[in-house]
Amino acid sequence: EVQLVQSGAEVKKPGESLRISCKGSGYSFTNYWIAWVRQMPGKGLEWMGIIFPGDSDTRYSPSFQGQVTISADKSISTAFLQWSSLKASDTAMYYCARRIAAANFDYWGQGTLVTVSS
Amino acid sequence: QSVLTQPPSASGTPGQRVTISCSGSSSNIGSNAVNWYQQLPGTAPKLLIYSNDQRPSGVPDRFSGSKSGTSASLAISGLQSEDEADYYCAAWDDYLGVFGGGTKLTVL
Repeated sequence: EVQLVQSGAEVKKPGESLRISCKGSGYSFTNYWIAWVRQMPGKGLEWMGIIFPGDSDTRYSPSFQGQVTISADKSISTAFLQWSSLKASDTAMYYCARRIAAANFDYWGQGTLVTVSS
Repeated sequence: QSVLTQPPSASGTPGQRVTISCSGSSSNIGSNAVNWYQQLPGTAPKLLIYSNDQRPSGVPDRFSGSKSGTSASLAISGLQSEDEADYYCAAWDDYLGVFGGGTKLTVL
């Protein structure tokens, strides 16, 4: 069974760093792109970027380029989303999703809620 | 402002047929497949329609998709109360994915 399991909710202060994770199982992790999607409170889905764990090829949406870092460790079948200095506006639910083709994301993680507040 | 344009809301009564539109451009819908996602309250999105009009296994045939030019539509027939959710269209645009702003479907 294909599963993407994300790390738990986080509460952080502005300026702090954070890395959240997405662990894939039940399939060949290195053969599928993993996307990260943001959903701010009460808002829609926003595509942040994507990584191919096989060779760590990474693409970012212009809106998120330089704001976050996407990485993957294929030895543990896990993708990561990282911030070096969080802002209150980073408060959101973050989802990872497996990409089958184009914008076809067939499996999603359960989401990681990140709250940034002083 | 989302790259793909959807109506913010739609509604219908049980048993009715409703449609949700998604408008894009030649760089996304015009040249790539459209996918639709359903997000029930408090849950992760779920793939509903892929490649314009294909249903993953387990998705009822009450849900159907179509595409013409730079627009796409999701149709739900025989509306049920459990269809009350947010619906998003998505497409590839050059090297990145883009979503519509989402449509909140209310079953009256």
